Amino acid sequence: EAGVVQSPRYKIIEKKQPVAFWCNPISGHNTLYWYLQNLGQGPELLIRYENEEAVDDSQLPKDRFSAERLKGVDSTLKIQPAELGDSAVYLCASSLEGNTEAFFGQGTRLTVV
Amino acid sequence: GDSVTQMEGPVTLSEEAFLTINCTYTATGYPSLFWYVQYPGEGLQLLLKATKADDKGSNKGFEATYRKETTSFHLEKGSVQVSDSAVYFCALRTSIDDKIIFGKGTRLHILP
Repeated sequence: EAGVVQSPRYKIIEKKQPVAFWCNPISGHNTLYWYLQNLGQGPELLIRYENEEAVDDSQLPKDRFSAERLKGVDSTLKIQPAELGDSAVYLCASSLEGNTEAFFGQGTRLTVV
Repeated sequence: GDSVTQMEGPVTLSEEAFLTINCTYTATGYPSLFWYVQYPGEGLQLLLKATKADDKGSNKGFEATYRKETTSFHLEKGSVQVSDSAVYFCALRTSIDDKIIFGKGTRLHILP
């Protein structure tokens, strides 16, 4: 069974440029998460989807970040414009509904210069 | 709000030493508890889990017991190996809104 797939693995952009990350969750997983992981820190939730509905986006900086999950499967996370402080690893995870574990992708390491 | 607190690292041990990484949590309801591991250059992998009080999760020689009375989920291993060097994250999934919350992580170095 394929795991959570993210692309790209690495991205380097100049500040003020836009950037987008893509995530394909495990087949059948209705819950999808985007996390931000700064160096030396634990993952912090940005947004959580149940199917195509964003049920928790309270930590998403909506002035520059946006996300979508069309048809309740794949998801994209966008930053526009990117700032130097956005340099981090962006993790996508998925899980089945209920009190179960989340499975993580490899992450996208973003460097803003 | 709900939170996870784990011991700060780095933790440095010699091979075959006993390992304990402390984790305590604050949560309403009855959360599930997890330990994830992140090896260098890799993504987060689930190491073990426990879904109710007194459950013991175990995998690859690691164990952790869900202690509701002390709100703890300490990770233990009787004899560590160099290959166990990684960052370990304690996490909980809330029973009320399915949010998954992580601790800050503990970096473990095992010396040969």
